[in-house]
Amino acid sequence: KAGVTQTPRYLIKTRGQQVTLSCSPISGHRSVSWYQQTPGQGLQFLFEYFSETQRNKGNFPGRFSGRQFSNSRSEMNVSTLELGDSALYLCASSFSKDRQFFGPGTRLTVL
Amino acid sequence: AQKVTQAQTEISVVEKEDVTLDCVYETRDTTYYLFWYKQPPSGELVFLIRRNSFDEQNEISGRYSWNFQKSTSSFNFTITASQVVDSAVYFCALANAGNNRKLIWGLGTSLAVNP
Repeated sequence: KAGVTQTPRYLIKTRGQQVTLSCSPISGHRSVSWYQQTPGQGLQFLFEYFSETQRNKGNFPGRFSGRQFSNSRSEMNVSTLELGDSALYLCASSFSKDRQFFGPGTRLTVL
Repeated sequence: AQKVTQAQTEISVVEKEDVTLDCVYETRDTTYYLFWYKQPPSGELVFLIRRNSFDEQNEISGRYSWNFQKSTSSFNFTITASQVVDSAVYFCALANAGNNRKLIWGLGTSLAVNP
């Protein structure tokens, strides 16, 4: 089976712009979670989607949003980008409650 | 509130040494899960282990072993006879049983194994 894929792998944006990141889970996995990783804050949970519904949400401002499609692919969107949004954004998928499989991440740089 | 503390920011060892990575957690939940993940330089997080709070048995998998002690809220990870390929950042994480996809992470321990 192919692993979790994320596109693009690298992005450079400027403040005020918006960005959309994509995640394709492992085939058959219906849960997709998103995490932000920064040197200062470490890994922080953004949100989880299951069967096109947001099931959990972390403590991030409303500028961070996401959605999931019927094929379980997920996108996350960040509007009005700030310098502090520069991070590695990781997507994880899971089939059961056992474990999550992570993708390689999207490295976002905000200038 | 839930919290995971990995007090060791960086560890450097010589190949074949044993090394223990510490993890201390805080939670008010009676049922929870603990995890260890490895993040090599490529960036992709690799699952190592999940432990249920009701299962305090230690676990060994090859050169890896985990010591879970509820009395001290610790879930330590030991690599025996370390190898250069073990060089990575290791993360400990916590999730409550009802929502085990929402992981609370420690800040990680960067392990460098030198030849």
